[in-house]
Amino acid sequence: NAGVTQTPKFQVLKTGQSMTLQCAQDMNHNSMYWYRQDPGMGLRLIYYSASEGTTDKGEVPNGYNVSRLNKREFSLRLESAAPSQTSVYFCASSEWDEDGLYEQYFGPGTRLTVT
Amino acid sequence: KQEVTQIPAALSVPEGENLVLNCSFTDSAIYNLQWFRQDPGKGLTSLLLIQSSQREQTSGRLNASLDKSSGRSTLYIAASQPGDSATYLCAVSPGTASKLTFGTGTRLQVTL
Repeated sequence: NAGVTQTPKFQVLKTGQSMTLQCAQDMNHNSMYWYRQDPGMGLRLIYYSASEGTTDKGEVPNGYNVSRLNKREFSLRLESAAPSQTSVYFCASSEWDEDGLYEQYFGPGTRLTVT
Repeated sequence: KQEVTQIPAALSVPEGENLVLNCSFTDSAIYNLQWFRQDPGKGLTSLLLIQSSQREQTSGRLNASLDKSSGRSTLYIAASQPGDSATYLCAVSPGTASKLTFGTGTRLQVTL
């Protein structure tokens, strides 16, 4: 049981390049999320997917697109990277557990630098 | 718009001391509050989750309390150890399958 996995761990892009960040979870969770973490700003939600086949914008969606490929996988795409997208990106998933709790579980993060 | 504040931003204590980390939020209409730990360069590890109907949760040396009406939560760490050194984040959620709003964290250092 790996939990939430993210690839790649590190990435350097030039301005204007595109890339896709991959996220997968093996906990059979319905909901998945993408956050970015910047110094002094805390974590901010980019997009989320309440269930397979649905996606919704979060607080900072501009410059990003997402795809909920299936129940396990939720990808984040940067079509034309900008230096302002230099950040650490976290994927998370959540579901009701047997105790009736609704808790989010996070992946290890992807450190992206755009030059 | 929900805002979450954590004070202090940084804290240094000697080993063995009991300490309290504070979290406040502006909108009391929350579903739950979650405390996380983040080690440098790592992801977030969930420590405790409190549902809005609960007053506190305990796990080992950690105790989290929630006063929803006043918009406050505290994380109490007993008998602190150097291994507790990390950044502690609190986050609130207005409902299920919805976003967490995070505070900016308290960076804790426990010295020998």
